[in-house]
Amino acid sequence: NAGVMQNPRHLVRRRGQEARLRCSPMKGHSHVYWYRQLPEEGLKFMVYLQKENIIDESGMPKERFSAEFPKEGPSILRIQQVVRGDSAAYFCASSTGLLVVGNEQFFGPGTRLTVL
Amino acid sequence: AQTVTQSQPEMSVQEAETVTLSCTYDTSESDYYLFWYKQPPSRQMILVIRQEAYKQQNATENRFSVNFQKAAKSFSLKISDSQLGDAAMYFCAYRTVGGATNKLIFGTGTLLAVQP
Repeated sequence: NAGVMQNPRHLVRRRGQEARLRCSPMKGHSHVYWYRQLPEEGLKFMVYLQKENIIDESGMPKERFSAEFPKEGPSILRIQQVVRGDSAAYFCASSTGLLVVGNEQFFGPGTRLTVL
Repeated sequence: AQTVTQSQPEMSVQEAETVTLSCTYDTSESDYYLFWYKQPPSRQMILVIRQEAYKQQNATENRFSVNFQKAAKSFSLKISDSQLGDAAMYFCAYRTVGGATNKLIFGTGTLLAVQP
């Protein structure tokens, strides 16, 4: 089974441009989570989505950031008008969503965003 | 709000020796999950071990075991017979049981070096 897939693996943007990060969950998983890892820091939760629904966006910056998980296709994390402070590794994880033991979040390899 | 603290930014161990990584957390909840994740230089997040708070027995996975002290809110990871491949950043994480979100709350990590 293919794991969680993220693309691109590396993304370079200039200040003011838009960044789109894609995440395809594992087969059978309908829940997606986005985390951000700033340099020398741990992962910080951003948003939790199910198909076509945002469940928890308590970690999302109020401006410029948005996320979606459409009925068909990958989840997208969109950052508008990027600034240097957005440079980080962005990780996607997926799960079955069942709140039971064994409902692990499986992580993708991450997208490293560099803002010039 | 829940918090996770890892007070050891870096640790070092000799190959074949044992090392213990510390983690403490703060929560008012009685039921939750705790995890240790490994992040090697590839940056892929790998689940090492999981502990359910309602279980008194400490979890074990091969050379990895935990010392879970619920009253003290402590969750340390012991790596026995350390191998060169164990060198990585290790993150402790917390997850609520129930509720609307499955988000993981991570500590800041401990960088483990393994000396040959």
